[in-house]
Amino acid sequence: AQKITQTQPGMFVQEKEAVTLDCTYDTSDPSYGLFWYKQPSSGEMIFLIYQGSYDQQNATEGRYSLNFQKARKSANLVISASQLGDSAMYFCAMRRGSQGAQKLVFGQGTRLTINP
Amino acid sequence: DTAVSQTPKYLVTQMGNDKSIKCEQNLGHDTMYWYKQDSKKFLKIMFSYNNKELIINETVPNRFSPKSPDKAHLNLHINSLELGDSAVYFCASSQGERQGRSGEQFFGPGTRLTVL
Repeated sequence: AQKITQTQPGMFVQEKEAVTLDCTYDTSDPSYGLFWYKQPSSGEMIFLIYQGSYDQQNATEGRYSLNFQKARKSANLVISASQLGDSAMYFCAMRRGSQGAQKLVFGQGTRLTINP
Repeated sequence: DTAVSQTPKYLVTQMGNDKSIKCEQNLGHDTMYWYKQDSKKFLKIMFSYNNKELIINETVPNRFSPKSPDKAHLNLHINSLELGDSAVYFCASSQGERQGRSGEQFFGPGTRLTVL
């Protein structure tokens, strides 16, 4: 079964520290995509970063980077220099399916709290 | 200016009623989706449409009927509402994976449905 696992229900981090949110996945598809979304308390889903299964380099977007270890089937999100505004739920997701019939399968989410 | 919009944002109704949620995207995307987020924040796909055609139906009760009048709109009608239907419903859209593009899904703000 295609599955995404986020083992950290909650994380507490001091402001300005780096934080790593864990994500492991299980798939037999040779081609897949991995995404991270942020959901603040206001409820909207905000796309953060993407990693394709064939990408040779780890994705980076500003303070966000994705530590992609294909052999271990992990796609951890690293947030550098955390800020109070980073407090939110974070979801790892995997894209499944062929062009035009794709869907996202989500993990359970990690609630990140940044302390001042 | 809004990429993916949903109406209403909040919906409170009695058990047994019929209600609709509307979704519109102005991104020119081919594919639209409905996701359900339950009280534990778990997100699961319900439906996806590609060019107005139903592509994915994830064993959702047939009380839920999506309708896509055109590529930019995907509405969700729910008959005979039940207590368990209380959740946040997200509409999303994507262009699908293209070379050099992730095909990320853009989410609407969500509709919080409460069935009393």
